[in-house]
Amino acid sequence: NAGVTQTPKFQVLKTGQSMTLQCAQDMNHEYMSWYRQDPGMGLRLIHYSVGAGITDQGEVPNGYNVSRSTTEDFPLRLLSAAPSQTSVYFCASSYSLWQSPQYFGPGTRLTVL
Amino acid sequence: AQKVTQAQTEISVVEKEDVTLDCVYETRDTTYYLFWYKQPPSGELVFLIRRNSFDEQNEISGRYSWNFQKSTSSFNFTITASQVVDSAVYFCALMNAGGTSYGKLTFGQGTILTVHP
Repeated sequence: NAGVTQTPKFQVLKTGQSMTLQCAQDMNHEYMSWYRQDPGMGLRLIHYSVGAGITDQGEVPNGYNVSRSTTEDFPLRLLSAAPSQTSVYFCASSYSLWQSPQYFGPGTRLTVL
Repeated sequence: AQKVTQAQTEISVVEKEDVTLDCVYETRDTTYYLFWYKQPPSGELVFLIRRNSFDEQNEISGRYSWNFQKSTSSFNFTITASQVVDSAVYFCALMNAGGTSYGKLTFGQGTILTVHP
């Protein structure tokens, strides 16, 4: 298994540009989520999904969209990038919320100029 | 609302010293899960342990041990005989099993541990 994969690893955007961060897992995990990590603030939940076709907002959802059309993929879309979205983004997945921990991808470092 | 506080921003120790990382949490739910994750300098997040609110037994795994005390809402992590490879950022996290916070993992701010040779 490749585990949780994220692309790209690094990205630089200009303010107002849009892009999609990709996340995929090959472990047949139902639960997937996106976090952002900022210095001194730990990780904060952006959006999560408990299964294909089901998504919900986390702590900091504004400016981000998600969809879950398949079990394997959970892309995160930035509609109009802002400097405040400069962060490291982590995708995570787990087989079950209650029976297994969340496993994290390697992260995407995004800079918005 | 749920909250996790890691009061120690940075800890510096010399190799072979024991070190305890503190974690205090707040939640209104009676059923919840607590986690510790390690983030080494390479940046990935490594799962260390998961504990549910009904299991207050302490756990030991090699040089790592965890002390869960519901009475003080704490879930502290001790590394015995620390090594340079233990240098990392350590995160404590909480997930509620119900209410509006269902399924949401809340992280503390993290503790930067530096182990000097």
